[in-house]
Amino acid sequence: GAGVSQSPSNKVTEKGKDVELRCDPISGHTALYWYRQSLGQGLEFLIYFQGNSAPDKSGLPSDRFSAERTGGSVSTLTIQRTQQEDSAVYLCASSLERGSGRDNEQFFGPGTRLTVL
Amino acid sequence: KQEVTQIPAALSVPEGENLVLNCSFTDSAIYNLQWFRQDPGKGLTSLLLIQSSQREQTSGRLNASLDKSSGRSTLYIAASQPGDSATYLCAVPYYGGSQGNLIFGKGTKLSVKP
Repeated sequence: GAGVSQSPSNKVTEKGKDVELRCDPISGHTALYWYRQSLGQGLEFLIYFQGNSAPDKSGLPSDRFSAERTGGSVSTLTIQRTQQEDSAVYLCASSLERGSGRDNEQFFGPGTRLTVL
Repeated sequence: KQEVTQIPAALSVPEGENLVLNCSFTDSAIYNLQWFRQDPGKGLTSLLLIQSSQREQTSGRLNASLDKSSGRSTLYIAASQPGDSATYLCAVPYYGGSQGNLIFGKGTKLSVKP
C-alpha cells in the first residue's frame, strides 16, 4: 500500500518568507509526527497529532512554527518569517494509535529539504 | 530525561563481514525500540521494532536484540553487502505526557566496501 508522502521534496526560499510543508500519512493511521533533521544534528521532534485530540506542540522551536491536521489525515507544517537556521530536512511519520504492540511502529515519509537563503 | 547513544559513529567493513551496531539508552522503562535505515537524501526506513517483552527480532540478514535492564540494543548484520551502506538509527518512544514521539540516537554511518 501507499506509504507516507510529503511535498514538496525540496523547497528553496528567501529569508523572511513563509513556507508550507505537506504530509499525507498512511491511510488509517491516527498518529502523525513531524521531526526536523538538521545537518550535523540528530532527529528533533516538533509536533504530534493523535486523532482529533489537541496536538502536542511542545517540540516546536519557536512561535514561527505551527501545524494543523485537517480531517484527521493530511497535515501542514507552516514556518513563518523563515530564518537561515530553519534550513533542515523536515520529516513526517505516522503510526496506528499509540499503545503497546506493533501499533506504534512509526513509518516515515521521504522528507522535505528546506533551504533558506 | 531519556538519551540514546550509538557507537560507533561510523564503520567501514569489507563485503561479506558480519557486523554489530550498538545502541544504548539511559532510561530502561521503554515500550519498544525501533531500528531504522537512512540512505543519503532519503527518509527513514523502518527495519525492526522490538517490543519491551521481546529479546530478539529477526528480518532476513538482520537481527536486533534488546536488553532493557542494561539499556542496550544491538543490530547484527550478517554477510554484509555494499547495498547495506547507509546510516542506521535506533530510537525509543517518549511517553511522558501525551507524546509518543521517538528519541533518536545520532546514528552509525556504515560503509561496506566491495
